[in-house]
Amino acid sequence: DQQVKQNSPSLSVQEGRISILNCDYTNSMFDYFLWYKKYPAEGPTFLISISSIKDKNEDGRFTVFLNKSAKHLSLHIVPSQPGDSAVYFCAASRVNYGGSQGNLIFGKGTKLSVKP
Amino acid sequence: KAGVTQTPRYLIKTRGQQVTLSCSPISGHRSVSWYQQTPGQGLQFLFEYFSETQRNKGNFPGRFSGRQFSNSRSEMNVSTLELGDSALYLCASSPFRGDEQFFGPGTRLTVL
Repeated sequence: DQQVKQNSPSLSVQEGRISILNCDYTNSMFDYFLWYKKYPAEGPTFLISISSIKDKNEDGRFTVFLNKSAKHLSLHIVPSQPGDSAVYFCAASRVNYGGSQGNLIFGKGTKLSVKP
Repeated sequence: KAGVTQTPRYLIKTRGQQVTLSCSPISGHRSVSWYQQTPGQGLQFLFEYFSETQRNKGNFPGRFSGRQFSNSRSEMNVSTLELGDSALYLCASSPFRGDEQFFGPGTRLTVL
C-alpha cells in the first residue's frame, strides 16, 4: 500500500513558467514533508521541507504548500529553469512518533523537463 | 563540509555471495539511514541507526543487516545475494533523528 503517491510520472514545462509538482499521502500521522531532487547517477538532494503545523514554506524559487485536510502537498517552482530538469521526490515522515523519525516514506517521483 | 560518502560506488556480485557497503556521514551527523532504490519500487527505507543502535527497520528480509560505529560511520551487509537485490543503495545522514536527511551518491549493486 503506497502511503505517498506522486500520480504524475512526468511533467514538461517551458522555461520561465511555473512548475507544479503534486503529492498525495494517506497516513494522517505524517507530520513532516520534504521534497528532494535527483539527477541520474547522484543521490537525492534536499530541496525544501514543511512541518504539518504550517501550510506554506518558501525558499527562493521553491514554495511548498500543504493541505492537511486533503492530505495533499505541492511544490511550486517559479520561474522554472532548464537546470531544474530532474526527478522530484516527495517524502513524508512521522517526526513526533517515537521510533519513526529516521524513516522517510518516498513517492515514486515525477520527472520534470524544463524546455528552453 | 564534505558530503555523505559511500564506497564502493559500483559493485558486481553473483547470486549467493555477500556484500558490505560503507557510508561515512557528514561530520557531526549522528543519524544514518539506508534506502534501496529500484525502478519498480522506488526508494524504500531499509534501516536507521543513531548512536550505534538500530532505531527503525523497514520491511526487508533478515539478509539485510547493518551497523553503526562510534564515529557514526555505518555499514550495511546483504548476505546470500539474490538477483532482485540489484539496486542503487543510498545512505543518508542527519544531525539528529527527524532532521532533514542528506544523501550520498549511492552504491550501484548488480547481482548476476
